[in-house]
Amino acid sequence: QKEVEQNSGPLSVPEGAIASLNCTYSDRGSQSFFWYRQYSGKSPELIMSIYSNGDKEDGRFTAQLNKASQYVSLLIRDSQPSDSATYLCAVNVLEFTGGGADGLTFGKGTHLIIQP
Amino acid sequence: DTGVSQDPRHKITKRGQNVTFRCDPISEHNRLYWYRQTLGQGPEFLTYFQNEAQLEKSRLLSDRFSAERPKGSFSTLEIQRTEQGDSAMYLCASSLATDEQYFGPGTRLTVT
Repeated sequence: QKEVEQNSGPLSVPEGAIASLNCTYSDRGSQSFFWYRQYSGKSPELIMSIYSNGDKEDGRFTAQLNKASQYVSLLIRDSQPSDSATYLCAVNVLEFTGGGADGLTFGKGTHLIIQP
Repeated sequence: DTGVSQDPRHKITKRGQNVTFRCDPISEHNRLYWYRQTLGQGPEFLTYFQNEAQLEKSRLLSDRFSAERPKGSFSTLEIQRTEQGDSAMYLCASSLATDEQYFGPGTRLTVT
């Protein structure tokens, strides 16, 4: 059974600091990894995808993947109050020979609070 | 390029009634997904379409749930004989060549 684990938080970070969010997954067959941001009462918004080991940077966001350790992280630099949200980690195991995406398995999310 | 749209945004129904939700994916996206999310949990996968073919169904999708995607464009999710445990946010997502999935605003279902 696929499992994705996240610390539920809340994680409190001062404005301007680096927020570090972590995620572990159980299925070694997982091939695609995603971070979504979800504001209260809203739907998830895709902010990062990562497919190979190492770092991927996009603006203030950096995703890190270590498949050997089955670990994914998201760093948010220069944290802003608008970054306060729940961050969802999601993984995908491509099981169909036709390729493409299967259903994502999500963690429960980490609630991030940026303190002004 | 408009995003994923869902209708209705909110639905209140009495236990035992049937409900149907609609999802319109991003145009040209051939893959469409349905998820369910309850408070404090991440979205849970329900089912997935590639064009009009339903390729995967979670064990969460009981016999009371049915989904269709005729003609490979919009999709409907029907819940028959609703139960209070069906109360949740029902999310639709779509994707194209990559497996990056983009979510719609969701339909919040309350079963009384």
